[in-house]
Amino acid sequence: NAGVTQTPKFRVLKTGQSMTLLCAQDMNHEYMYWYRQDPGMGLRLIHYSVGEGTTAKGEVPDGYNVSRLKKQNFLLGLESAAPSQTSVYFCASAKREIYGYTFGSGTRLTVV
Amino acid sequence: AQSVAQPEDQVNVAEGNPLTVKCTYSVSGNPYLFWYVQYPNRGLQFLLKYITGDNLVKGSYGFEAEFNKSQTSFHLKKPSALVSDSALYFCAVRDIGGTGRRALTFGSGTRLQVQP
Repeated sequence: NAGVTQTPKFRVLKTGQSMTLLCAQDMNHEYMYWYRQDPGMGLRLIHYSVGEGTTAKGEVPDGYNVSRLKKQNFLLGLESAAPSQTSVYFCASAKREIYGYTFGSGTRLTVV
Repeated sequence: AQSVAQPEDQVNVAEGNPLTVKCTYSVSGNPYLFWYVQYPNRGLQFLLKYITGDNLVKGSYGFEAEFNKSQTSFHLKKPSALVSDSALYFCAVRDIGGTGRRALTFGSGTRLQVQP
């Protein structure tokens, strides 16, 4: 049982490049989330999904897009990377909100 | 809107002493409250939660937290700290009665340093 798997684990992008971060969960969870973690700011919600085919904006959605075509996968896209998007990105999933979240191990992204 | 505050960036405690990591929250309805721990270069791990019922909740690794509705607080506690408890701790809240986002809002984190 792998839980929540994020790929890649590390990536360096040049300003203006695009990329997709993949989150996969094998727990049949309905809810999935993308957060970014920056020093002193905790985790901030980028986008989330309450079920297959649904997505919603979080606190800091600008510059990101997401898709949830399959229940087990939640993709985060950066259309045109900017240095301000340098961060550690965490995906999480939950069966129901009262159970809490299961987090992936994170993707460290540097935009130069 | 839901929000959570962790007023201390860092807490230092000697091994064997009790520890407290503070958290206060703001919601319009009733809260779901969570504590997570993050070890270096790892994802967040669930410690404990308050959904309803007893105000004192017990969680993993000997941690507990007390829900105080009048003070809107959910402080994390442990009777006797271990060096291995040194990590970054996050409090999180979900406003069940609110109309906002259906996701947890996290605090800024508190780094716990336990000295031998």
